[in-house]
Amino acid sequence: DVKVTQSSRYLVKRTGEKVFLECVQDMDHENMFWYRQDPGLGLRLIYFSYDVKMKEKGDIPEGYSVSREKKERFSLILESASTNQTSMYLCASSSEDRLSSYEQYFGPGTRLTVT
Amino acid sequence: GEDVEQSLFLSVREGDSSVINCTYTDSSSTYLYWYKQEPGAGLQLLTYIFSNMDMKQDQRLTVLLNKKDKHLSLRIADTQTGDSAIYFCAPASGGSYIPTFGRGTSLIVHP
Repeated sequence: DVKVTQSSRYLVKRTGEKVFLECVQDMDHENMFWYRQDPGLGLRLIYFSYDVKMKEKGDIPEGYSVSREKKERFSLILESASTNQTSMYLCASSSEDRLSSYEQYFGPGTRLTVT
Repeated sequence: GEDVEQSLFLSVREGDSSVINCTYTDSSSTYLYWYKQEPGAGLQLLTYIFSNMDMKQDQRLTVLLNKKDKHLSLRIADTQTGDSAIYFCAPASGGSYIPTFGRGTSLIVHP
């Protein structure tokens, strides 16, 4: 069973703090993704990575950075948290194998509140 | 980029059929996914259809694809209270296979 875990379910941080969200997958997937989910807006892609040390900007990368030093781990970094980054953050992974139908496997999410 | 539209809410009675509709803009979409999100959880793939198919049936689920109109629908037969969740339409273009998610339809099933 594919498992994607996220370091925290709930996180409360202050404005201006540096925030790290960690994601780990155990299926040796090449691709990893970070989304944010807001009511009425659905999921929006922040960054993705298709290999170790590789990263690509998604639709809303401003205010975020990422790190992928190991294949199984993908970190999302908020350099200086702001209140408009209060959201649910979802991590996902997928395989490059066509037989997988490129299905994305999601973690349970981290609900981040910035005060 | 791809634009995906779906209604935000659908309310049905237990035992009825539910139909969730979706329109998208990118005609090069090759995989068209439906993901389900239960309360407090991440998303899970429910089903998907290839762009060269018109219909796919999987137990209580039927997916219909109209490529000409760029319209995708998900029908759930005999809807149960356990089907209450948010359903996301997510087409993926050839090449990257990264889906673009709609805003999600909250399905509410009344007993």
